Amino acid sequence: EAQVTQNPRYLITVTGKKLTVTCSQNMNHEYMSWYRQDPGLGLRQIYYSMNVEVTDKGDVPEGYKVSRKEKRNFPLILESPSPNQTSLYFCASSFSPANTEAFFGQGTRLTVV
Amino acid sequence: AQSVTQLGSHVSVSEGALVLLRCNYSSSVPPYLFWYVQYPNQGLQLLLKYTSAATLVKGINGFEAEFKKSETSFHLTKPSAHMSDAAEYFCAVSVSNTGNQFYFGTGTSLTVIP
Repeated sequence: EAQVTQNPRYLITVTGKKLTVTCSQNMNHEYMSWYRQDPGLGLRQIYYSMNVEVTDKGDVPEGYKVSRKEKRNFPLILESPSPNQTSLYFCASSFSPANTEAFFGQGTRLTVV
Repeated sequence: AQSVTQLGSHVSVSEGALVLLRCNYSSSVPPYLFWYVQYPNQGLQLLLKYTSAATLVKGINGFEAEFKKSETSFHLTKPSAHMSDAAEYFCAVSVSNTGNQFYFGTGTSLTVIP
């Protein structure tokens, strides 16, 4: 089954404690991206990757890091989480960014206290 | 710069009534346009997309949208609402010359009243 898998689904952490949210896709997609969803703001892109070892900033990259060492995986790293990073996070993948369907993970609800 | 505006953060319709969710975009070049649906506690899934072919696009679950360049709009419609249509709907735009980004609207929450 074609899917994008994110882990964990729910996470509560404390300010400053490094965390990683994993994302894996089994569709051999080249393009992957991370979004955060906040009430009234819709989805905002954090980072995206066009292929292995190619990543770039989206609209709200501050406080986040990503890596793309393998085609299927695109982890999101919060080196020092802060309460304003409490949000719902989605990973997505597609064959290309422009005119093809993006497949989304189930989401990770992160709370930073 | 590209942007998407969804008018109405909450829309309520009666079961069986017409659904109309509005989306206007801003783009200096021909865009690709999408509607996604998000059911509670789930990720987004594609309803339909416009990629410069037919201006009237049909999607899943009886939804359709019409691309109107003169109005820079891509409104989503469904003739008869079902209870199962209650969800959050997002309009999105991308253009191939922007560095490969998607831009989402702020979403419209659809409530269907029995």
